[in-house]
Amino acid sequence: ETGVTQTPRHLVMGMTNKKSLKCEQHLGHNAMYWYKQSAKKPLELMFVYNFKEQTENNSVPSRFSPECPNSSHLFLHLHTLQPEDSALYLCASSQPGATDTQYFGPGTRLTVL
Amino acid sequence: GQQVMQIPQYQHVQEGEDFTTYCNSSTTLSNIQWYKQRPGGHPVFLIQLVKSGEVKKQKRLTFQFGEAKKNSSLHITATQTTDVGTYFCAGHDSGTYKYIFGTGTRLKVLA
Repeated sequence: ETGVTQTPRHLVMGMTNKKSLKCEQHLGHNAMYWYKQSAKKPLELMFVYNFKEQTENNSVPSRFSPECPNSSHLFLHLHTLQPEDSALYLCASSQPGATDTQYFGPGTRLTVL
Repeated sequence: GQQVMQIPQYQHVQEGEDFTTYCNSSTTLSNIQWYKQRPGGHPVFLIQLVKSGEVKKQKRLTFQFGEAKKNSSLHITATQTTDVGTYFCAGHDSGTYKYIFGTGTRLKVLA
């Protein structure tokens, strides 16, 4: 619907697991974002990539490792997560410029046991 | 650092009542955008305002950007059950150009 897809849609993992979230955008945008949305917190911007280069890292713990191989794909590699990392992880893309209107994917609902 | 607060945090209204959410930034914004997130969904872009004092309408929704470009409001006339969701404002800080989302207002409409 929005041109931004995310897989998987749901993920349950243990604290010792390693998993990856994938995001793909079909909108021809050059900026991609990872957001974390918890039940009782506003949208938290985690990482920003512009033209495949990371331009923003908002003090995210190293157990979250992003990767942007090209302008259409974005990954979030997860390892040794904590239960408090359980949240909805949203990917978004935009065309860098005056507006930066965010086009969001459906999100991955992550549960860390 | 820059903060964008929205009030109220939650609002329950009877269907047919009006609703307003306010967005207040600690710094001047170069633009303001509004998003709606339905329960279980993801944020979807609604509209953008750029000019000081600008007012835009989308059917029953009225959006306003303050004269000082530090606040904005979204007003819904005669709410319907389809208006349920969380409304976020977002914008660029005029100085740093950092893009930041507001804290959101969750609206429930009682039939």
